[in-house]
Amino acid sequence: EVQLVESGGELVQPGGSLRLSCAASGFTFRNYWMSWVRQSPGKGLEWVANIKEDGSDNYYVDSVKGRFTISRDNAKNSLFLQMNSLRGEDTAVYYCARDVPLYKADSGSYWGFDSWGQGTLVTVSS
Amino acid sequence: QLVLTQSPSVSASLGASVKLTCTLSSGHSRHAIAWHQQQPEKGPRFLMKVNSDGSHSKGDGIPDRFSGSSSGAERYVTISSLQSEDEADYYCQTWGTASYVFGTGTKVTVL
Repeated sequence: EVQLVESGGELVQPGGSLRLSCAASGFTFRNYWMSWVRQSPGKGLEWVANIKEDGSDNYYVDSVKGRFTISRDNAKNSLFLQMNSLRGEDTAVYYCARDVPLYKADSGSYWGFDSWGQGTLVTVSS
Repeated sequence: QLVLTQSPSVSASLGASVKLTCTLSSGHSRHAIAWHQQQPEKGPRFLMKVNSDGSHSKGDGIPDRFSGSSSGAERYVTISSLQSEDEADYYCQTWGTASYVFGTGTKVTVL
């Protein structure tokens, strides 16, 4: 059974830093792209970042570029999100998710998520 | 720009059928999508993937009353014989140019 367990969320002051972790089990972690997705209180889902199987490539939503860094440790089946210069609008539950190709496209594939963690709450407030 | 449009809410009686729609923006009508369910106070759960030709495949443990389909730029999930545990938010999602995109979600209320 695929399991994704996030940790590291807490109350932090604006301008502060935080590192989130996601422990993966039940599948061969090193074979999958992985993502972070967040959900602000009462709002919808927003994708934050993802990282390639070997960590050699990644993508970010514009609002976190230059402030957040996604990384992974395949030896420890773990995904991380280093968050710096935190703002009030970063307050959210952060989920890790497993990326999978859904169907083939004309070039490449259409991608989505097939597994989610339970989330960890990050609150940015003074 | 790739945008996924969903109706904000829908309500139906216990045992009824409901069809949720996700509309792809112009120029993206061939995109496949994924549907995710989020029950109150829980994390999201993958429901199914739906292709532009209407083929679909459900996630592990998803009940038979959930099915997917497509027509043009619209992708659907139909819940037949609505149960109380189906009361949830439903999000569609796909991959755009170097980013994932989510719809705004549809809240399903079971009367």
